[in-house]
Amino acid sequence: DTAVSQTPKYLVTQMGNDKSIKCEQNLGHDTMYWYKQDSKKFLKIMFSYNNKELIINETVPNRFSPKSPDKAHLNLHINSLELGDSAVYFCASSQDRQDYEQYFGPGTRLTVT
Amino acid sequence: QKEVEQNSGPLSVPEGAIASLNCTYSDRGSQSFFWYRQYSGKSPELIMSIYSNGDKEDGRFTAQLNKASQYVSLLIRDSQPSDSATYLCAVTGTASKLTFGTGTRLQVTL
Repeated sequence: DTAVSQTPKYLVTQMGNDKSIKCEQNLGHDTMYWYKQDSKKFLKIMFSYNNKELIINETVPNRFSPKSPDKAHLNLHINSLELGDSAVYFCASSQDRQDYEQYFGPGTRLTVT
Repeated sequence: QKEVEQNSGPLSVPEGAIASLNCTYSDRGSQSFFWYRQYSGKSPELIMSIYSNGDKEDGRFTAQLNKASQYVSLLIRDSQPSDSATYLCAVTGTASKLTFGTGTRLQVTL
């Protein structure tokens, strides 16, 4: 069974479009995260939700909007995509907000042309 | 100064040798320290966590922490070609989030 899953795995789209990435975890964890890994492999946190409540909101353009319908799901919607948004986006989860042992999904490679 | 610093490598070691990966961090309030392994095109995978000064061993892996020197390291004994990957150091600071280094690429040669 996949612990943390993401869809889609690859996403190629044009500038200006709006797209969403979905994440689901079946570990029973309370806390979920979105990370962005750029071309230099630097992994940086974007958002974190604990039991549907937003707890970390890093300096991210407001074109990015996370949404957590329940504690097992965390989605990321991106409006008006730009070339600089091209990256790999990882979803992760941990037992709770005090537990930093995080488990990552397979990633979504977003390419904006 | 970067919050978490690692030498990008590549670090090349022969099969069977000990690979030593190093990481320094800037936040003296950091409490939790992690090593993740990331194969090319794959997601980061947690391999070690350490919370107190000293050594922690798990199989061929040993994590070492020195909070006074703000230094954490990962030793891989009997390195195998399958250990070739990028190793990411991650640290929790006072901001209650995990901050990653840029990773060290390890190459284990036959």
